[in-house]
Amino acid sequence: DIQMTQSPSTLSASVGDRVTITCRASQSISNWLAWYQQKPGKAPKVLIYKASSLESGVPSRFSGSGSGTEFTLTISSLQPDDFATYYCQRCDTIRGTFGQGTKVEIK
Amino acid sequence: EVQLVESGGGLVQPGRSLRLSCTTSGFTFDNYAMHWVRQPPGRGLEWVSAINWNGGSTDYADSVKGRFTISRDNAKNSLYLQMNSLRAEDTALYYCAKAGHGFDFWGQGALVTVSS
Repeated sequence: DIQMTQSPSTLSASVGDRVTITCRASQSISNWLAWYQQKPGKAPKVLIYKASSLESGVPSRFSGSGSGTEFTLTISSLQPDDFATYYCQRCDTIRGTFGQGTKVEIK
Repeated sequence: EVQLVESGGGLVQPGRSLRLSCTTSGFTFDNYAMHWVRQPPGRGLEWVSAINWNGGSTDYADSVKGRFTISRDNAKNSLYLQMNSLRAEDTALYYCAKAGHGFDFWGQGALVTVSS
C-alpha cells in the first residue's frame, strides 16, 4: 500500500512568514493529491485538490505544487487564522490514505 | 446546503458491535462515492473505508478489514458503517465524508469509545 509521509511534523512560524510543508508518496500518484486544514474540534477542510487546484473559497495565499511522489503546500504569508494542522491525502484510487499531519504553531 | 450528519456512536465493550449512520442532504447522493475517516483522540486522520456510488465497490484500511462493513442506501441518502469485534484501538471520532474535490464535505463526527 502507498504510504504518505509529511514533513515537518511541527512547524513554528510567525504571522507574515512564508511556510512550506512537504508530502512524499512511497509510489507515484501522478497529481492525485489533496491538502486539508483542520482546526481543533472541527472537521477537516479541503484546501487544494489535484495537487495544485485551489478549492473554491480558499484564500489565494494557499498554493500547492508537485507531481509523482513529491508535493508541497505553501502559505505565502501566514495569517492568524492559518495556525492549524495540515494533512495531505492520496486520491489516486478509492483509498484515501492521509499523511500524519503537520501542526503549524505560533512562534 | 450540503449536510452530513453522523449518528450511532457511543461507549461499547471490546468485542461488541456498533453501527454508525450518516444521513445526507443537499446533493445528489447516488452520484458520489462516500468514505469513513476516523481520528483517535489527539491524533491524526486515518482513512477507514470507501464505497462507490452504487455500492458495487468497497475498500477498507488493513486495520479494519474483515471487521467493518460499509454500505449505503441511495433511496435514503444514507451511508453506514457496521463495526464488529471492536477493539480499544478503534476508539476515535468517526467522520463520514463525500468524495468530490478530495473529500469536499464532512460531517461533524460520531465518537466511538471502546472500553470495558
